Amino acid sequence: DQQVKQNSPSLSVQEGRISILNCDYTNSMFDYFLWYKKYPAEGPTFLISISSIKDKNEDGRFTVFLNKSAKHLSLHIVPSQPGDSAVYFCAANGGSQGNLIFGKGTKLSVKP
Amino acid sequence: EPEVTQTPSHQVTQMGQEVILRCVPISNHLYFYWYRQILGQKVEFLVSFYNNEISEKSEIFDDQFSVERPDGSNFTLKIRSTKLEDSAMYFCASGSRIGSGLYNEQFFGPGTRLTVL
Repeated sequence: DQQVKQNSPSLSVQEGRISILNCDYTNSMFDYFLWYKKYPAEGPTFLISISSIKDKNEDGRFTVFLNKSAKHLSLHIVPSQPGDSAVYFCAANGGSQGNLIFGKGTKLSVKP
Repeated sequence: EPEVTQTPSHQVTQMGQEVILRCVPISNHLYFYWYRQILGQKVEFLVSFYNNEISEKSEIFDDQFSVERPDGSNFTLKIRSTKLEDSAMYFCASGSRIGSGLYNEQFFGPGTRLTVL
């Protein structure tokens, strides 16, 4: 039962362009979402989050958009840099104690 | 910058043996978590720990698993009798409340790769 879905296993983008990573969820009770970046042999690194009372949150080159009616969120990276190449995980707050439910991840490759 | 640390980075064990995975969370955090990632699969929640007790656990976290915060700094995950299917990366995470809400940005350690032979 995939409550958080990332349907694109990979994405390739040219340096300087926009990267858009998508995430869908099924549980309308989810009210807090996070994006993590993961390099091989490292733990997930927190990037940006959004509460369901907002539809957009921006931090530097990273912007997360939330469409509650569609149960969809996306992460925009502008401009993309080669160092952004990593696996990106979408996660939802799944419980009262903050346990996270992760998607399967999207591998982003930013080509110079 | 404070970070979550985990030891060992890699643990190899025989099936049926006990293993203890260790974590040092960020010092002012109050919420502690264990997750695991089987190769090629997604990161899965195992257990959360708050105020010196388990606050939530998943179906994966059965009687073979236990957690402890023995000395106020370390946070350990014990697997009593390992099985082949326990082979995975195990991540520790810690977090603190944001404002008046329960939501927190969790910071992950680098993980322990557990290999059960």
